[in-house]
Amino acid sequence: AQRVTQPEKLLSVFKGAPVELKCNYSYSGSPELFWYVQYSRQRLQLLLRHISRESIKGFTADLNKGETSFHLKKPFAQEEDSAMYYCALVVSGGYNKLIFGAGTRLAVHP
Amino acid sequence: DTGVSQNPRHKITKRGQNVTFRCDPISEHNRLYWYRQTLGQGPEFLTYFQNEAQLEKSRLLSDRFSAERPKGSFSTLEIQRTEQGDSAMYLCASSPPGGTMNTEAFFGQGTRLTVV
Repeated sequence: AQRVTQPEKLLSVFKGAPVELKCNYSYSGSPELFWYVQYSRQRLQLLLRHISRESIKGFTADLNKGETSFHLKKPFAQEEDSAMYYCALVVSGGYNKLIFGAGTRLAVHP
Repeated sequence: DTGVSQNPRHKITKRGQNVTFRCDPISEHNRLYWYRQTLGQGPEFLTYFQNEAQLEKSRLLSDRFSAERPKGSFSTLEIQRTEQGDSAMYLCASSPPGGTMNTEAFFGQGTRLTVV
């Protein structure tokens, strides 16, 4: 079964602290994984995708096929990082049929 | 705002009534998706259009739900005989043509449906 699990509903940290948002997936094929972010009163938007292997707004995520994980990390959290973060898996088919996790709310306190 | 546009933003309806939502994708995007999001959950895939063709429908899309994209541009999602369980945020997304590589999906701000 195709599934994305985000075990934490809420992650609360202080500004400057490291952040790790956990994501585990279940998929029999070759996974393509994304992190989407939703800031307050804004639409859902792509943060990063594993195939790009890039850092966006200081965030990185490494695909670990052995552990079936795609955790999102940032070494020093900023208050503007406070948002809802969703991990998503693309099911093969050549289009964006996304399987989302339930999301983790990141709250960064001053 | 030249992104994906959804109307209305909010809809309150009585149980048993029909409702219709509209999505206008980004103009050059031929791919369009509908998702549903309930409280505390991530978005769930409902259906996918490539141009005017509806290529996939989730089993979540019961017979009371129908989606169209008649000219390959805007899309409508209709729910007939609404039930309280239909209360959710309905999200539309679009993406440009992509070969073998999945391209970014751009989301609208959603239509929040409340069935009373």
